[in-house]
Amino acid sequence: GENVEQHPSTLSVQEGDSAVIKCTYSDSASNYFPWYKQELGKRPQLIIDIRSNVGEKKDQRIAVTLNKTAKHFSLHITETQPEDSAVYFCAASRSTQKLVFGQGTRLTINP
Amino acid sequence: NAGVTQTPKFQVLKTGQSMTLQCAQDMNHNSMYWYRQDPGMGLRLIYYSASEGTTDKGEVPNGYNVSRLNKREFSLRLESAAPSQTSVYFCASSANSNQPQHFGDGTRLSIL
Repeated sequence: GENVEQHPSTLSVQEGDSAVIKCTYSDSASNYFPWYKQELGKRPQLIIDIRSNVGEKKDQRIAVTLNKTAKHFSLHITETQPEDSAVYFCAASRSTQKLVFGQGTRLTINP
Repeated sequence: NAGVTQTPKFQVLKTGQSMTLQCAQDMNHNSMYWYRQDPGMGLRLIYYSASEGTTDKGEVPNGYNVSRLNKREFSLRLESAAPSQTSVYFCASSANSNQPQHFGDGTRLSIL
């Protein structure tokens, strides 16, 4: 089955700098890759997703890149703000299969 | 539009007691899921239902049972609660298996 590895487990950046979180997956047939943000005590919320027919997707300060050959995908957050502090989860799945989540990255934005 | 609603939000049980966690979605989604989240850990899938009438085990099903009551509702039952089941439980739903999942607010369960 699918296995998703996420790095780093914790990340601390200065406000205004960029943050990058990386995930690798094992199943070459996986074709859907979402990212979730979870603030302390809250539900995970989808922030961006990408499918395997696309190499990059952007939404304002957030972008996701996908390298199918290397089987890894990354979340990029630019111009970080204090409200970006949260735990971020990546996930992967292929058609008709359930999502497999990474272990999460705790992102802290230092003012 | 409430999305995914979980009840209760908090619960304290004694070891050996039974309990059912309720989940309902109003998005006409086919697939529903139950996860547990322990401190410092990711989301671990307990059971899921790809469509009404079907249920399948996830990564950590032992000690749990589920019922897909209808398309809207998916319940999780602990028959004999154990302290190791102290966790935050999230229900989620998606249009289909390979689609974005929408989560409920979670149930914080403590077993003494």
